Amino acid sequence: AQKVTQAQTEISVVEKEDVTLDCVYETRDTTYYLFWYKQPPSGELVFLIRRNSFDEQNEISGRYSWNFQKSTSSFNFTITASQVVDSAVYFCALSEASAVRASGGTSYGKLTFGQGTILTVHP
Amino acid sequence: EAGVAQSPRYKIIEKRQSVAFWCNPISGHATLYWYQQILGQGPKLLIQFQNNGVVDDSQLPKDRFSAERLKGVDSTLKIQPAKLEDSAVYLCASLNGGDTEAFFGQGTRLTVV
Repeated sequence: AQKVTQAQTEISVVEKEDVTLDCVYETRDTTYYLFWYKQPPSGELVFLIRRNSFDEQNEISGRYSWNFQKSTSSFNFTITASQVVDSAVYFCALSEASAVRASGGTSYGKLTFGQGTILTVHP
Repeated sequence: EAGVAQSPRYKIIEKRQSVAFWCNPISGHATLYWYQQILGQGPKLLIQFQNNGVVDDSQLPKDRFSAERLKGVDSTLKIQPAKLEDSAVYLCASLNGGDTEAFFGQGTRLTVV
């Protein structure tokens, strides 16, 4: 069965510091999709990034970057020069290709989430 | 474009009472999900609809939870009777078949006392 572990329960940083959120996953599928979502106090989950298992290229998007390593089953997420508005709960999530196929190719929202990391950025 | 709409935002009920939550997905999104998020945990999938049909309800406690999506648009999730452990945020999400990420509503926070 799939599993996502976020070992960091809470992280506290001062504005402008870089912060890395850790995520480790378990899956038997050879094809899968990894996501990071942000949950601000308003409650909705906001999509941040997605990575396919067959693409290990790490990228940077603005202040966000991620480090995907299949060898260690990790999908870490970094915020550069953190801001107070980054304060939220961050969730790592996994979607398995077998679940996608079973649902007729529309199961990218069938997600297994980690327990979340509370990020607090102080001014 | 309008996001996923959910109502009510908050609900407090006594145990053994019934409650219903409503979700209006993004227009044109055929796939709809209900997730349960207990405080301090990540969301857990309860049920997935494709249009008005159930695709996966394997994690839905069917003895007390029910959901429907009449006409393949709006959806309702019901709990009858509620237990204390049902206290959680219930999130609705929708997805277009061509997208690879789901869009979430703000959720309904249920407190069972």
